[in-house]
Amino acid sequence: DSGVTQTPKHLITATGQRVTLRCSPRSGDLSVYWYQQSLDQGLQFLIQYYNGEERAKGNILERFSAQQFPDLHSELNLSSLELGDSALYFCASSPGTSGGGYNEQFFGPGTRLTVL
Amino acid sequence: AQSVAQPEDQVNVAEGNPLTVKCTYSVSGNPYLFWYVQYPNRGLQFLLKYITGDNLVKGSYGFEAEFNKSQTSFHLKKPSALVSDSALYFCAVRPKAAGNKLTFGGGTRVLVKP
Repeated sequence: DSGVTQTPKHLITATGQRVTLRCSPRSGDLSVYWYQQSLDQGLQFLIQYYNGEERAKGNILERFSAQQFPDLHSELNLSSLELGDSALYFCASSPGTSGGGYNEQFFGPGTRLTVL
Repeated sequence: AQSVAQPEDQVNVAEGNPLTVKCTYSVSGNPYLFWYVQYPNRGLQFLLKYITGDNLVKGSYGFEAEFNKSQTSFHLKKPSALVSDSALYFCAVRPKAAGNKLTFGGGTRVLVKP
């Protein structure tokens, strides 16, 4: 158990809908990262927050947004969902500095999103 | 832009034999390098990392990896594979100077046969 929790485990929804994925980082970790894992795209970095502020952006669509709250949990919002958004969404956390540097990331178990 | 290549989609090995999973990278400057493992229906688990210093890094579960700067490689190795090592392995790179963006390779599926 990495100490990172994600809810829900599974989510089934329809095209055009909006969903929210939730992540609680390990105790003491200030950085939260979101990743999307799909068969065709592999593991893609979406976005990083550090202590409530957006720190880095990857291949995140404009339909997607995220935030990190004062208690350090994070939410990933996916809207106007398309079939191609079906994937496993991981949250990860790491301690300390905003630069992150050599700290490894600890991954949650993921949320499997199915868009029908 | 940084990139990571894992040239083998799948590696098959007999239990007890040595296991090698290959990884090469392209990045400006010196990188931090990582290996993660993913078991079915689970998140990624950290195995080991290279920061600086000794090119041979030892990690969890008997795994080790060798950093080769001239070949820009960071191959994962285990002297004697176990059936329980069957999983998906990811190599990842982060440039030292560029903040926290971690770039993953495409993954290599390892199948250890009894």
